[in-house]
Amino acid sequence: SSELTQAPAVSEALGQTVRITCQGDSLRSYFATWYQQKPGQAPVLVMYGQNNRPSGIPDRFSGSSSGNTASLTITGAQAEDEADYYCSSRDSSSHNHLVFGGGTKLTVL
Amino acid sequence: QLQLQESGPGLVKASETLSLTCTVSGGSINNNNYYWGWIRQPPGKGLEWIGNIYYSGTTYYNPSLKSRVTISVDTSKNQFSLEVTSVTAADTAIYFCARHRIDQVVFPWGQGTLVTVSS
Repeated sequence: SSELTQAPAVSEALGQTVRITCQGDSLRSYFATWYQQKPGQAPVLVMYGQNNRPSGIPDRFSGSSSGNTASLTITGAQAEDEADYYCSSRDSSSHNHLVFGGGTKLTVL
Repeated sequence: QLQLQESGPGLVKASETLSLTCTVSGGSINNNNYYWGWIRQPPGKGLEWIGNIYYSGTTYYNPSLKSRVTISVDTSKNQFSLEVTSVTAADTAIYFCARHRIDQVVFPWGQGTLVTVSS
C-alpha cells in the first residue's frame, strides 16, 4: 500500500505564512485531502481536490500539488490554526483504499 | 445536517472482540454517492484507516487489519458497525466513524469513542 510522509512538526510566527507538505507516490495520481485536528476533537476537513475549501474554512487556507508533493498553505497563520494537520489520499495500489500521512503539529508562535 | 455517533463498550478484554456501532442521523445511508467507514487513532498517535462499506454491503479494508476486521451495514436502522477480533493493547484507540465520498474525502466525522483493551 501507499505511504504519505509529513514532517512531524512545524512552527511559524503569528501572521506569517506556513506551508505543510505531504509526500507520496499516490499523490502523482490522486489529490491530497487535508484535515485539521485540535486536542480532544475529531478531525475537520479543511481542503480537498485541486484547491477546495469546505464551507466555513477561512480563505487563508489553500492547497496545491506538484509531482509527488501536496501542500497546505496558511497565509497569515492565526493562533486558532495551531493544531495537528493530516493529509490523506487514495491508495495508488487500490483506489478504494485510503491512506493517511503521519500528521504535522503546527505551532503558531 | 448529517451527524454520526459512535456507540459501544469503552473497555474490551484482550483476545476478545471489539464491537462498535455508528448511527447516522440527518441523512440516509442508502446513498450511492458515499461509503461509510471507520478510522482509528491510538492515544497520542496518528490516524489509521480501518475500512469502509457501501450501502449495498460492498466492503474495503486496510490490508494490515483485514484478517481481523468486519464492517457491516443495517440500512433499516441507518447504522453501520465495526468488529475487530482477537484484540490486543495495540488496538487501544479512539475509533471514529465517518462518511467517505467516492473520492475518499472524509466528511463529516463522528466525535469518536475511546476503546481501551485491558489485559
